[in-house]
Amino acid sequence: QSALPQPASVSGSPGQSITISCTGTSSDVGSYNLVSWYQQHPGKAPKLLIYEVTKRPSGVSNRFSGSKSGNTASLTISGLQAEDEADYYCCSYATGSTLLFGGGTKLTVL
Amino acid sequence: QVQLQESGPGLVKPSQTLSLTCTVSGGSISSGSFYWSWIRQPAGKGLEWIGRFSTSGSSNYNPSLKSRVTMSLDTSKNQFSLKLSAVTAADTAVYYCARETYYDILTGSWTNWYDPWGQGTLVTVSS
Repeated sequence: QSALPQPASVSGSPGQSITISCTGTSSDVGSYNLVSWYQQHPGKAPKLLIYEVTKRPSGVSNRFSGSKSGNTASLTISGLQAEDEADYYCCSYATGSTLLFGGGTKLTVL
Repeated sequence: QVQLQESGPGLVKPSQTLSLTCTVSGGSISSGSFYWSWIRQPAGKGLEWIGRFSTSGSSNYNPSLKSRVTMSLDTSKNQFSLKLSAVTAADTAVYYCARETYYDILTGSWTNWYDPWGQGTLVTVSS
């Protein structure tokens, strides 16, 4: 089971928007609308940001949004803030009732 | 609110079995549409799904770890556990327990998300 490819790093200035991609296959991202995204600050447990591709849990800022096209899911963060600097992981349900995480993307706020 | 806490030895010798327990507080492990899951993260690396187990006895494991993984639930103690046999240095990681919601009762549809998570526990495999 290989991790879903994500860009190793992205960066942006405060107030800007960035997008992180998560590339899957027809056996995972492409076949199921069960993609979630997690934010992880250093030394902390991951935090749920997005589930079912586009849904935001209560309490998560509307600056975070998700989308999917074909086999690729994306997380967009608008109005970047310093506290958004963290690692971000996608996760997808996959054929065979397994779950796959992305390799992770480090976001730097310049 | 539901909280999870991992516990277990922080040091395991190569070839031995890693054993961890996750204690659930603030809610019953037997209620709801949940899988109780384990996820690990080697230092400086990404998250790796280990597997999941439900109170109905349904379970799924990462194919790359399946032959070495055993998961179980103890509803009387509101705990679930992970055993990973024949460990090597490659199994050194922070291990997280997490609750996976797989069915949304509000929408009546299948879903998937992990929340809450435990704080994580570092397990080092070394002689």
